[in-house]
Amino acid sequence: KNEVEQSPQNLTAQEGEFITINCSYSVGISALHWLQQHPGGGIVSLFMLSSGKKKHGRLIATINIQEKHSSLHITASHPRDSAVYICAVDNNNDMRFGAGTRLTVKP
Amino acid sequence: GAGVSQSPSNKVTEKGKDVELRCDPISGHTALYWYRQSLGQGLEFLIYFQGNSAPDKSGLPSDRFSAERTGGSVSTLTIQRTQQEDSAVYLCASSYLYEQYFGPGTRLTVT
Repeated sequence: KNEVEQSPQNLTAQEGEFITINCSYSVGISALHWLQQHPGGGIVSLFMLSSGKKKHGRLIATINIQEKHSSLHITASHPRDSAVYICAVDNNNDMRFGAGTRLTVKP
Repeated sequence: GAGVSQSPSNKVTEKGKDVELRCDPISGHTALYWYRQSLGQGLEFLIYFQGNSAPDKSGLPSDRFSAERTGGSVSTLTIQRTQQEDSAVYLCASSYLYEQYFGPGTRLTVT
């Protein structure tokens, strides 16, 4: 079993839909990261969480430490949100990655 | 300001040759990370530096891989006697606290 599990693996949505991507992990963590990788390959850090909830524009990330689960939500999705979203857990700088969720938002 | 830069952006090498990949982190970032992403695969953690020291080198795939960081800044990842399975995009990231800033990566192809 992978230490970091993401679901779904692939997700197709219509523009405007509310998106949820889930991440479950089985190891202890000091922080959890949500990353975005566009088709060109560049990676951008969206959020770093150690507890609670963070919001940035249309993106919301939550984490439940007790349940070892995090979610990334995208409200009012747009085609430019199409990318691979990666969950990464940080155990004192030892990083473990989920396999990623490929999101396609259709106009 | 300048982001994380990596060089070269692409490298094609013959099997058995040594390669050196360079990462220039954001100025002032004390932590530096190396990752690998093989074609169609997820990200794989290789090594982390805090300052010039790497507390844990167990993420390096084999003893052909080594990394160093000098002056708390530039880092090099060296792969000796390259093998075809080393072909991947090698990514570097730096951070000051926890948020990581990624470089564009070096695409390594071993023929």
